[in-house]
Amino acid sequence: DTAVSQTPKYLVTQMGNDKSIKCEQNLGHDTMYWYKQDSKKFLKIMFSYNNKELIINETVPNRFSPKSPDKAHLNLHINSLELGDSAVYFCASSHRGWMPQHFGDGTRLSIL
Amino acid sequence: KNEVEQSPQNLTAQEGEFITINCSYSVGISALHWLQQHPGGGIVSLFMLSSGKKKHGRLIATINIQEKHSSLHITASHPRDSAVYICAVRPKRGLIFGKGTKLSVKP
Repeated sequence: DTAVSQTPKYLVTQMGNDKSIKCEQNLGHDTMYWYKQDSKKFLKIMFSYNNKELIINETVPNRFSPKSPDKAHLNLHINSLELGDSAVYFCASSHRGWMPQHFGDGTRLSIL
Repeated sequence: KNEVEQSPQNLTAQEGEFITINCSYSVGISALHWLQQHPGGGIVSLFMLSSGKKKHGRLIATINIQEKHSSLHITASHPRDSAVYICAVRPKRGLIFGKGTKLSVKP
């Protein structure tokens, strides 16, 4: 009965590959988010989806594309992975109004 | 200069001490958030503030919009409070995060 679940927890892959991270929430929230936490532990918002519509895209390269099949899911697809994509990616959800946000446990992406 | 600055970067305290973590920002905001990241990596939302003060258990958060400053206080600190505390501000769009304050509470 995890509120926000991300899979996989760890992802190790090679440069140039395409990969996806899945996120699901069972809280009935209407807004979902993707964050990136770099090696210096600095968090940045990447995307926010409200009722399946993208409402923020914070200058993220277009190799990253969020896909929301329904309001309980927000998956992150990454094409042509680069070394700089290595980070921990967090999914979160909330009701409209940003807080409180419930976070997933993170996906640690390592690019070889 | 970062738009959101936290101080101190690192803080070590003895169990029972009163702790203050500060957050200053340079942009106009509609709200400010405090988050806690556990040593295992999990992130928990603590507070959202747009004015005044909020309290939850031993945690108190205050904000002064005119001075563009917020503080997070922990009373009677405990080793389980050891974590990174992150301030985030909400300008017109998005969220801007501070770099976090790493707190260690020793028994």
